Amino acid sequence: QVQLVQSGAEVKKPGASVKVSCKASGYTFTSYDINWVRQATGQGLEWMGWMNPDSGNTGYAQKFQGRLTMSRNTSITTAYLELSSLRFEDTAVYYCARQSYMDVWGKGATVTV
Amino acid sequence: QSVLTQPPSASGTPGQRVTISCSGSSSNIGSNAVTWYQQLPGTAPKLLIYITNQRPSGVPDRFSGSKSGTSASLAISGLQSEDDADYYCAAWDDSLSGRVFGGGTKLTVL
Repeated sequence: QVQLVQSGAEVKKPGASVKVSCKASGYTFTSYDINWVRQATGQGLEWMGWMNPDSGNTGYAQKFQGRLTMSRNTSITTAYLELSSLRFEDTAVYYCARQSYMDVWGKGATVTV
Repeated sequence: QSVLTQPPSASGTPGQRVTISCSGSSSNIGSNAVTWYQQLPGTAPKLLIYITNQRPSGVPDRFSGSKSGTSASLAISGLQSEDDADYYCAAWDDSLSGRVFGGGTKLTVL
């Protein structure tokens, strides 16, 4: 079945970087964009950006420009989100989701700063 | 502070029909498709409606979506206890070149 499996929880200090992975299975990884969305505790959903796993092209929300990097390794069908210069307010659950309307979601990775 | 505006809460009794609104602008809802998500506590969001009014397989036809101008709506008929959840709308925003979400609506089934 189609699924996205994310890496585990991370605890980081302010100023550090975090890299979260999202392994895709059950479909052709390079055929669908990957989006990243985060959610702070008790808050709403916040879109961070997208990546085309085939070309590697990315688009980031303006808020994260300069400290967000999305990448992929097609040989292991895995997408990555790396956020640098972490702040306390980056504490959230980070989700990956497939394609523009996000039909399949990972279970989320908790990042605590 | 969300680009799309949703009421923070809504409620209904079992069997009722409820609607949740999502207000935007010409750069998002006015010119792009709307998606809706359901999120149960402690779980990832689930796609409910895409391309404004399409349901993925497995989503009951009690859920329907519509759009008029710069506003969209999610309607839930025959309300059930398991519909008690948070609901979010989303759309692409041409001005921001990014996807935007509503702030979410907490639906309580009384």
